[in-house]
Amino acid sequence: GIQVEQSPPDLILQEGANSTLRCNFSDSVNNLQWFHQNPWGQLINLFYIPSGTKQNGRLSATTVATERYSLLYISSSQTTDSGVYFCAFDQDSSYKLIFGSGTRLLVRP
Amino acid sequence: DVKVTQSSRYLVKRTGEKVFLECVQDMDHENMFWYRQDPGLGLRLIYFSYDVKMKEKGDIPEGYSVSREKKERFSLILESASTNQTSMYLCASRRQGNLYGYTFGSGTRLTVV
Repeated sequence: GIQVEQSPPDLILQEGANSTLRCNFSDSVNNLQWFHQNPWGQLINLFYIPSGTKQNGRLSATTVATERYSLLYISSSQTTDSGVYFCAFDQDSSYKLIFGSGTRLLVRP
Repeated sequence: DVKVTQSSRYLVKRTGEKVFLECVQDMDHENMFWYRQDPGLGLRLIYFSYDVKMKEKGDIPEGYSVSREKKERFSLILESASTNQTSMYLCASRRQGNLYGYTFGSGTRLTVV
């Protein structure tokens, strides 16, 4: 199956700092998405980003499908950004969403 | 506020017990999913259901079964709980054809002792 690597696995930031999270894929993927899981376990969809760039407030995401990677940018980080960020894809449009192992982010005040 | 509700936030069961994890959604979604989450492994799909009474195995179905008798409810069953099934279990739902409209429950942390 397709291998997905998320980096870094852990990240600690001071409030106000910027960061870039990355997902690399071993092959082409479909329907790439980014999720945030808050410290209480709730998972929220951030972006549906099969290609191109999208922005939502302080967050933006870019997927370069031809080079098999996606990036999530967090600017001016806040403590509420803490949690785990996952990229996920739908390998063959079979409704099986496959998740990366996640990046655990801690933003300190 | 639409939501996916998992019946228990924390659960402790003994090895060999039959365990039921319940998930209910109020959005009239056709598709429902059960994932387990373990550190360093992300979320892995156990089972999913296209619609009522329909089910399909995910990537790690061994030791689990599911039931979808009504559209709003998707149950995960551990036939004989084992310690390696200690994990966080997450339920999700999605409208048929909406590729990114996943709504997740807040999870059930199951400990098997």
